[in-house]
Amino acid sequence: DQQVKQNSPSLSVQEGRISILNCDYTNSMFDYFLWYKKYPAEGPTFLISISSIKDKNEDGRFTVFLNKSAKHLSLHIVPSQPGDSAVYFCAPRGSGNTPLVFGKGTRLSVIA
Amino acid sequence: DAGVIQSPRHEVTEMGQEVTLRCKPISGHNSLFWYRQTMMRGLELLIYFNNNVPIDDSGMPEDRFSAKMPNASFSTLKIQPSEPRDSAVYFCASSSPGRRGESPLHFGNGTRLTVT
Repeated sequence: DQQVKQNSPSLSVQEGRISILNCDYTNSMFDYFLWYKKYPAEGPTFLISISSIKDKNEDGRFTVFLNKSAKHLSLHIVPSQPGDSAVYFCAPRGSGNTPLVFGKGTRLSVIA
Repeated sequence: DAGVIQSPRHEVTEMGQEVTLRCKPISGHNSLFWYRQTMMRGLELLIYFNNNVPIDDSGMPEDRFSAKMPNASFSTLKIQPSEPRDSAVYFCASSSPGRRGESPLHFGNGTRLTVT
């Protein structure tokens, strides 16, 4: 039973345009929502996070939106760059230093 | 900061052999996590430690898997005996104490295990 769903296995976007990656979850106890980026043969690297008490967090080209009532969050990348091509994971967690629960990931390809 | 260090990067072994994966967390981090990545199941938690104490090992597939953290700077994940279905990439991650879960996990580059 998947607690975290990333329903788009892949996404292709033109360089300079916006990339929108979506994530749905079922566990209302999740307190923090993190996004990770993963290149081949490397471990996931932390990108951006949002607390359950907020609905938006922005860091440079990356913005995460949280809709708690819909149990949905999205990651916006604008403008998209070829170096953004990677697999993106949505990974929420409960309160405190608890483990992350990962979605299956979305492979983003940014075409020059 | 050297990051989380895992060894070996690649391991190829025959079915029935013992396999030991190693992890050195980031200095000062007090939580350590072992994850496994497969095509079918994605990234799944195997076990995690807080202050060297195992907190939740419910993700360990079966008794063939065991993990230890003898001190704050070292952890091992052992599979004995190994089976072909254990083939996967195993990641270790660590995190520092943080308020309300805001401390991200920092991952190593993984160990790719192949059991033939």
